[in-house]
Amino acid sequence: QKEVEQNSGPLSVPEGAIASLNCTYSDRGSQSFFWYRQYSGKSPELIMFIYSNGDKEDGRFTAQLNKASQYVSLLIRDSQPSDSATYLCAVEGNTGKLIFGQGTTLQVKP
Amino acid sequence: GAVVSQHPSWVICKSGTSVKIECRSLDFQATTMFWYRQFPKQSLMLMATSNEGSKATYEQGVEKDKFLINHASLTLSTLTVTSAHPEDSSFYICSARVSPGQLNEKLFFGSGTQLSVL
Repeated sequence: QKEVEQNSGPLSVPEGAIASLNCTYSDRGSQSFFWYRQYSGKSPELIMFIYSNGDKEDGRFTAQLNKASQYVSLLIRDSQPSDSATYLCAVEGNTGKLIFGQGTTLQVKP
Repeated sequence: GAVVSQHPSWVICKSGTSVKIECRSLDFQATTMFWYRQFPKQSLMLMATSNEGSKATYEQGVEKDKFLINHASLTLSTLTVTSAHPEDSSFYICSARVSPGQLNEKLFFGSGTQLSVL
C-alpha cells in the first residue's frame, strides 16, 4: 500500500464546473496535509495546506480533511482552463518529511 | 515568497560523466534543503535531506556515493550525480525550508533540473 494515494486521472471537467480531487493516506499519525499544483516540466507550487478536520477555503479552492477516514480532498470551483495541471497531495509524516502522492492530472475543457 | 534558484534548468550529458546541480536560496537562509527526483508521470521521491554544515541524510535505496550532496553554506546546496547513466535521467528538484522547525508551508521549491543522460 502506498503511503499517499491519488487517482492518476486524467480528470476532465468543463470550464466553470467544480473539480474534485481526492487523496488517501496510510499513516494515521499524519498531522499536516498539502496540495501542490505542478505544470508539466515545472516544479510544484503550494496551493493549500490544512491541519484540522473540516474545510478550509481560499478563493476558488477548498481543502477538506477527514482524519478518521484518512482522506483529504481539494475542490476547485469555477474551474478554468489555466487550472489544467497535475495536482499533488502531500502528507507530512512524523519525521517532518513530505510524502507525495503520484498526482492527479486535471483537464479543464473550454 | 522566498525564492530558490536552481541551475541548470536542463542538462544533457554522456554516460559516465558527472553532473552538478546547484540550489541557492536568494533572500533567506536555508538551514535545511531537500532533494527530490521525479520520473515522468510519477510523484516526487525524496532522495536526501541536507542540513548546513553536516552530512546529508539519504533515503533508503538512494546511493550516497552516487548522489553527492554538499550544503556548505546557508544559501547553497549542490547535488552531484557521479558517473551518470541513462537510468539517472530524471527531473531533479530541490526545496528549501526557511528556518529549522518551520512547518512545510514554508517549503519553497527550485525550478527543477531536467537531466538527460545519453
